Amino acid sequence: ETGVTQTPRHLVMGMTNKKSLKCEQHLGHNAMYWYKQSAKKPLELMFVYSLEERVENNSVPSRFSPECPNSSHLFLHLHTLQPEDSALYLCASSQGREGYNEQFFGPGTRLTVL
Amino acid sequence: AQSVTQLGSHVSVSEGALVLLRCNYSSSVPPYLFWYVQYPNQGLQLLLKYTSAATLVKGINGFEAEFKKSETSFHLTKPSAHMSDAAEYFCAVRQTGANSKLTFGKGITLSVRP
Repeated sequence: ETGVTQTPRHLVMGMTNKKSLKCEQHLGHNAMYWYKQSAKKPLELMFVYSLEERVENNSVPSRFSPECPNSSHLFLHLHTLQPEDSALYLCASSQGREGYNEQFFGPGTRLTVL
Repeated sequence: AQSVTQLGSHVSVSEGALVLLRCNYSSSVPPYLFWYVQYPNQGLQLLLKYTSAATLVKGINGFEAEFKKSETSFHLTKPSAHMSDAAEYFCAVRQTGANSKLTFGKGITLSVRP
């Protein structure tokens, strides 16, 4: 595997389910990000982890719970979601968090909440 | 505060024609600027970035962009469109310094007609 991988690629869940999204980066980076991409809206930054420590949480509802067990893996745990949470969830990583550092994106998980 | 404006949501060009995708930014300090491309069912891929070196930046797949401070613009161009260029394009801005946030525009969908 190379780059940033995400599983599953597609997920359909009911509002009472609990599921998790997984992201793995194979680039040796030390920062990881979760973004939400909804149709016709700019990408919304959800969480930022740097050196496995959460450094940013952009007013995300508590039904989204991130976890970063090591510098290569990032999870997004989901529970009691709402239909408006249906979106493409993108994971990204970078080496450092300076402004010029490029973020590398995974292919995303397409989430549908019924 | 920083923001990105991508006017319009859809651009259609003929194959072989010039591609021009507009991006204007707002930033209180000199920014770093990025163009990303997203093909269907894929994550975002960096096309090019401006990091205060040359104002004309060349990227992958024949794309280039010019940073114009006086116009607060960073428009993306390609002299001759190819069918494979059909995708969604995102402009993003990030301030210099550590821990700065990457702010995206809403994106523009490029269609290429045969």
